[in-house]
Amino acid sequence: DGGITQSPKYLFRKEGQNVTLSCEQNLNHDAMYWYRQDPGQGLRLIYYSQIVNDFQKGDIAEGYSVSREKKESFPLTVTSAQKNPTAFYLCASIGRGDFSGANVLTFGAGSRLTVL
Amino acid sequence: DQQVKQNSPSLSVQEGRISILNCDYTNSMFDYFLWYKKYPAEGPTFLISISSIKDKNEDGRFTVFLNKSAKHLSLHIVPSQPGDSAVYFCAASEGWNSGTYKYIFGTGTRLKVLA
Repeated sequence: DGGITQSPKYLFRKEGQNVTLSCEQNLNHDAMYWYRQDPGQGLRLIYYSQIVNDFQKGDIAEGYSVSREKKESFPLTVTSAQKNPTAFYLCASIGRGDFSGANVLTFGAGSRLTVL
Repeated sequence: DQQVKQNSPSLSVQEGRISILNCDYTNSMFDYFLWYKKYPAEGPTFLISISSIKDKNEDGRFTVFLNKSAKHLSLHIVPSQPGDSAVYFCAASEGWNSGTYKYIFGTGTRLKVLA
């Protein structure tokens, strides 16, 4: 089954610790994304990558870092510099949708990070 | 600055009736729009999309309307079913034609369909 796998599903972190969230896709998609969901604020873009070894900051990149060494993988590190890291994190990638060539974001199931 | 806005945080509709979810945007360079449905603790699932060269797109019970002059799009669900109860997000991209593929999401509208 093709799809996006995020791990872990739940993660607890102590203040001051860095944590890395995994995102793997076997859809052969070129572009991958990280979003953060907070209550009442929708999905906010953290980082995105359109090609291997290249990535761009989204709207809320401060306190986060990413790498894109392989097409299938786009891990997100939440650093101690992120002041409010407790959130639901979503990874996504782009694939072809309908016959018109539309590009549709496919999402993983998400990772819930809680800072203790 | 919120480029994509969903001004109604919640909406309740009777089963069988029409649900209309609205979305406004400010960036006139957006050229592709999508609607997603999301359940708690799950990833969003794609519903329907529309490019800026169209003003309507239908897929079964779901229809999206785009009014470029008003920078407004809406999602119509007819007839509404209890299983449609979820949070709905609209999203916009200015990169569909250029290949930039940066997608901006709204804050979501929680739809509740009453049986």
